[in-house]
Amino acid sequence: QKEVEQNSGPLSVPEGAIASLICTYSDRGSQSFFWYRQYSGKSPELIMSIYSNGDKEDGRFTAQLNKASQYVSLLIRDSQPSDSATYLCAEDTGGFKTIFGAGTRLFVKA
Amino acid sequence: GAGVSQSPSNKVTEKGKDVELRCDPISGHTALYWYRQSLGQGLEFLIYFQGNSAPDKSGLPSDRFSAERTGGSVSTLTIQRTQQEDSAVYLCASSSGQRNTQYFGPGTRLTVL
Repeated sequence: QKEVEQNSGPLSVPEGAIASLICTYSDRGSQSFFWYRQYSGKSPELIMSIYSNGDKEDGRFTAQLNKASQYVSLLIRDSQPSDSATYLCAEDTGGFKTIFGAGTRLFVKA
Repeated sequence: GAGVSQSPSNKVTEKGKDVELRCDPISGHTALYWYRQSLGQGLEFLIYFQGNSAPDKSGLPSDRFSAERTGGSVSTLTIQRTQQEDSAVYLCASSSGQRNTQYFGPGTRLTVL
């Protein structure tokens, strides 16, 4: 069974630091991955998607995909208290089905 | 443009009653998903619809749960004979199919007393 694993956290970082979130997956054939952010009491919202090996940068966010080691990461530079949320990693299994990880809670201390 | 909408936003019901939750996806999106999220937990996949294809019902937890999507647009998730363990936030998402990016609605918080 395909799985997406995340450390539940909480991950606590000081304001201005780099927050590093990791997600591992079991399906070696997976091609596409997504990072969603979910504030408490709100719905998930897409932050980034990544489809090929390597890095993808968008503002303070960088997603990294390593297919050989089967992990995808999200780096948040210059972390802000407003980044405090749960971050969900998701794997596109092909077709239209997506598998979500349980999420990592991030807490950025002011 | 309008996002995914869900109704009601909150639903309180008594154990044993049936409930219907509605999802209105983004116009033109062919794929529609239902998830369940219990307090402090991740997303639990329930069902998805893609165009006119048969829905993938593999995530439905029991035969008390069913869903329909009429006219390729609005979807209704029905829970019969609700149980207290059904209490959760039910999230709907839609996708245009491009790289499977999903856009979520605000959710329906269901409380079964």
